[in-house]
Amino acid sequence: GQSLEQPSEVTAVEGAIVQINCTYQTSGFYGLSWYQQHDGGAPTFLSYNALDGLEETGRFSSFLSRSDSYGYLLLQELQMKDSASYFCAVRDRRSGYSTLTFGKGTMLLVSP
Amino acid sequence: GAVVSQHPSRVICKSGTSVKIECRSLDFQATTMFWYRQFPKKSLMLMATSNEGSKATYEQGVEKDKFLINHASLTLSTLTVTSAHPEDSSFYICSADPPGTNLGEAFFGQGTRLTVV
Repeated sequence: GQSLEQPSEVTAVEGAIVQINCTYQTSGFYGLSWYQQHDGGAPTFLSYNALDGLEETGRFSSFLSRSDSYGYLLLQELQMKDSASYFCAVRDRRSGYSTLTFGKGTMLLVSP
Repeated sequence: GAVVSQHPSRVICKSGTSVKIECRSLDFQATTMFWYRQFPKKSLMLMATSNEGSKATYEQGVEKDKFLINHASLTLSTLTVTSAHPEDSSFYICSADPPGTNLGEAFFGQGTRLTVV
């Protein structure tokens, strides 16, 4: 099975940098994804790491260390609109397809 | 880009009635679609995998007779919540993986907020 651990809540101020960590245990690993979800909305894809290292997409970056079963999402120049829940997720290979298992989510609260 | 459309976005129903939720892939064919349930401030929990032309695969603990899934075409999957009760009130959301996309990205419908009164 799969399990992912991430902090339940993180608070920060506008303009700051915040890091959301994720540790995982999987029976087979195909990469770590990150999703953002605003209250009442659908999750939106942010980033994906299949290999070790840093992936940068604008203000968001994601890092993976496969040997440590660890990754993080880095959000820079925080804006109020970044207040949302952030989920890390891993793939679970099934017969003929794969499914996503999500962490419990980290609620980010950005204050002025 | 790939689009997954879900309808309705909100529904209120009386206890004991059934509700159908549709999930469509608008610009690609999806042999497999996924249904999740999310309670307030909780994670997305996979309920079942919908397979075109065959029976759905349900996750452990999900009642097959209560959550009926039909995937009659390559662009449409439906979830029917039968004999709904207040504890079924939740956010239901579907997803699909367009061919050729990387393993990290899933495409989600807009979600359906179900309230059973």
